[in-house]
Amino acid sequence: QKEVEQDPGPLSVPEGAIVSLNCTYSNSAFQYFMWYRQYSRKGPELLMYTYSSGNKEDGRFTAQVDKSSKYISLFIRDSQPSDSATYLCASPEAYGSSNTGKLIFGQGTTLQVKP
Amino acid sequence: EAGVAQSPRYKIIEKRQSVAFWCNPISGHATLYWYQQILGQGPKLLIQFQNNGVVDDSQLPKDRFSAERLKGVDSTLKIQPAKLEDSAVYLCASSQAATVQYFGPGTRLTVT
Repeated sequence: QKEVEQDPGPLSVPEGAIVSLNCTYSNSAFQYFMWYRQYSRKGPELLMYTYSSGNKEDGRFTAQVDKSSKYISLFIRDSQPSDSATYLCASPEAYGSSNTGKLIFGQGTTLQVKP
Repeated sequence: EAGVAQSPRYKIIEKRQSVAFWCNPISGHATLYWYQQILGQGPKLLIQFQNNGVVDDSQLPKDRFSAERLKGVDSTLKIQPAKLEDSAVYLCASSQAATVQYFGPGTRLTVT
């Protein structure tokens, strides 16, 4: 079992739709959760990160972590064609209360927002 | 603030040849990472440096891959000899703390 799992998609939605991207993880020691956006032929760009459970909002983006079910979500409101990219969830490898810095990534979900 | 710089952006080599990639991290970032991203997969850590010391190289195929970080700033990653399965994007990232990492644009390697 991979430590972080993500449906690769592709996911295609019309412009203006609400997008829900999801990941599950297996290591209960994970504490920080990141979402990276990666455009074609570019490096990953940090979108948001959260610590432990709860929600975090930044403009049209909301990150949600449910540690009880080991479930991570990213919601995009009023999606735009410029949101078309691959979205990667990640968490720093963790042992007990400390993390090593090594990011464990999901496979990435490819999103296409059609005008 | 300048981001993480990498060069070259693209490289095509034949199997059994050697290749080297260069990374310049964000100024002041003590931690530097090299990741390998195979098409359709998430990045996988190859090696992590703290200043010029290696923190984690457990996933680095040491029979063919090597990396160094001279003076705790720039880093090079070398593959010798290359195999077909080394075709991937090689990403460099840097961070101040062991949490938020900033990635460069990557070097896309094709081994034929």
